[in-house]
Amino acid sequence: SQTIHQWPATLVQPVGSPLSLECTVEGTSNPNLYWYRQAAGRGLQLLFYSIGIGQISSEVPQNLSASRPQDRQFILSSKKLLLSDSGFYLCAWSVPAGRNSPLHFGNGTRLTVT
Amino acid sequence: GNSVTQMEGPVTLSEEAFLTINCTYTATGYPSLFWYVQYPGEGLQLLLKATKADDKGSNKGFEATYRKETTSFHLEKGSVQVSDSAVYFCALSSQGGSEKLVFGKGTKLTVNP
Repeated sequence: SQTIHQWPATLVQPVGSPLSLECTVEGTSNPNLYWYRQAAGRGLQLLFYSIGIGQISSEVPQNLSASRPQDRQFILSSKKLLLSDSGFYLCAWSVPAGRNSPLHFGNGTRLTVT
Repeated sequence: GNSVTQMEGPVTLSEEAFLTINCTYTATGYPSLFWYVQYPGEGLQLLLKATKADDKGSNKGFEATYRKETTSFHLEKGSVQVSDSAVYFCALSSQGGSEKLVFGKGTKLTVNP
């Protein structure tokens, strides 16, 4: 069966520090991968998605970047965190089978920038 | 562009009460519609989905019907339980090669014993 691992679960970082959040998927090949951010009162915002190794699409301009160095690994990064980067970050994957394919989410990372 | 609007929460109900969470959407073409649930401290899980007009998605006693004429996908459950306390998200898929979901803001449901 497929599983998705996301870590760390919680993170407190000072403003200006770098960030690296990692997500890995097991039990499937060539998944679509996604990073979402969930901010209080604003629902889920799609940050990045990837349909293959090295192929990253950014949905909104921001202080973050994403990389996919391996088929089932998706990394969210920042060189210098801002207070506004605080939030709950969710990684997700889907089978690339068209618009009916649901997303499968990890348990998220709660990031607090102080 | 595509968007989803769902009722503002929080919603507080007593056990065995009837639940409705409204969801309406704006989209071009024929999107697929989803309800996701997020239990405290966890990621989101797919609750149910519908892929075409008049389809009814159902799971764990929850139901939602894809209404194209009213562009709605309201979530209902006849008798809620304390364990249903969670945040519920309505979502639609955008068309194209990848399954980019557009989510509503979420509705927090609390069920009291």
